[in-house]
Amino acid sequence: DAGVTQSPTHLIKTRGQQVTLRCSPKSGHDTVSWYQQALGQGPQFIFQYYEEEERQRGNFPDRFSGHQFPNYSSELNVNALLLGDSALYLCASRAGSSRTGELFFGEGSRLTVL
Amino acid sequence: AQSVAQPEDQVNVAEGNPLTVKCTYSVSGNPYLFWYVQYPNRGLQFLLKYITGDNLVKGSYGFEAEFNKSQTSFHLKKPSALVSDSALYFCAGAPASGGSQGNLIFGKGTKLSVKP
Repeated sequence: DAGVTQSPTHLIKTRGQQVTLRCSPKSGHDTVSWYQQALGQGPQFIFQYYEEEERQRGNFPDRFSGHQFPNYSSELNVNALLLGDSALYLCASRAGSSRTGELFFGEGSRLTVL
Repeated sequence: AQSVAQPEDQVNVAEGNPLTVKCTYSVSGNPYLFWYVQYPNRGLQFLLKYITGDNLVKGSYGFEAEFNKSQTSFHLKKPSALVSDSALYFCAGAPASGGSQGNLIFGKGTKLSVKP
């Protein structure tokens, strides 16, 4: 049973560029959340998708956008990249909207902005 | 604002000794609390969770945690540490109700180093 898979694992961009990160949730999971983990910090919630709609959003600017597809996979898009966007981006999934279910995390996409 | 705090950046323990990684929370209502572990260049792995009921929760790899409502704490413990337990540990919480949809608020993490 494949867990949460993310691509690419590493990427380097320059300021002002745009990036798209991809996530496939664990089998049987339909809720996908994205987190940003800056170096030396805990993950911070970006947004959550369920039934192809953004259900909840953290304190991130509109440059951060996402999408969920009918097969539950998801994309995170970041426009007009800033140096401060350099981080590990983690995708997490769980089944349904239950608050008690643990999140399963992918290994992340490490973005470096130069 | 809701928050989770891990007061220690690093915890050093000798192999075979008990370990404790501390966590306190400021989350509304009756919170759901979680511990995750992160190995270098890897994602987060679930260890255990407290939802309701018994204050002592047992999880993976021999870890356990005690929920203390009066002290708003959820410390992670293990009776006998292994070198392989060395990793970064994150405490996280979520309100049991309200609009957050259970999305997690993470602490900054505590680096656990177990020496032989």
